[in-house]
Amino acid sequence: GNSVTQMEGPVTLSEEAFLTINCTYTATGYPSLFWYVQYPGEGLQLLLKATKADDKGSNKGFEATYRKETTSFHLEKGSVQVSDSAVYFCASSSSNTGKLIFGQGTTLQVKP
Amino acid sequence: DTAVSQTPKYLVTQMGNDKSIKCEQNLGHDTMYWYKQDSKKFLKIMFSYNNKELIINETVPNRFSPKSPDKAHLNLHINSLELGDSAVYFCASRVNVNGTSGSREQFFGPGTRLTVL
Repeated sequence: GNSVTQMEGPVTLSEEAFLTINCTYTATGYPSLFWYVQYPGEGLQLLLKATKADDKGSNKGFEATYRKETTSFHLEKGSVQVSDSAVYFCASSSSNTGKLIFGQGTTLQVKP
Repeated sequence: DTAVSQTPKYLVTQMGNDKSIKCEQNLGHDTMYWYKQDSKKFLKIMFSYNNKELIINETVPNRFSPKSPDKAHLNLHINSLELGDSAVYFCASRVNVNGTSGSREQFFGPGTRLTVL
């Protein structure tokens, strides 16, 4: 079946450091790919998405590119802030039910 | 003006009890979901309804029964609660899944933290 794998956390960075969170997927066909963010005590919010190969999703300085050849959707940000501290989830979606298949989540802690 | 709301936010109960969690969305969406987040933050789909019709029923104990009285509401009833049911339960909704691709985002509620003692 379809699956999503994220790099293990937690990730601890200093403010203004470069962030990469790796995500790879397995799927039949071509799923849509998402990054969701969960701030402490809150629900999930969509951060960005990409729906086909070579699409780049971007939002709030975060970017991720849908790479079919490597089945990856790595999340990057050039300069993180303390307010980016949260749990980040990579997810894929099938086209018939829309259900999201999540990676295990990566906790990011940014220190001043 | 909350988009997806859940009640209660916290639920503490004894083993063996029966409890319900309610979800409502005011986005006009047709498709709703329940996800379970365990203590390690792992999220897994449980159920989905599209226009009050069950479309996803993952391998979940039959003590869990979803009910959708209308397309804006999806409730989750749990019988004979067990310690392992302790988790955060998230409701989500999206536009009608029929005739659309999987590219549409889901909107999540704030979660219900269930603690079974």
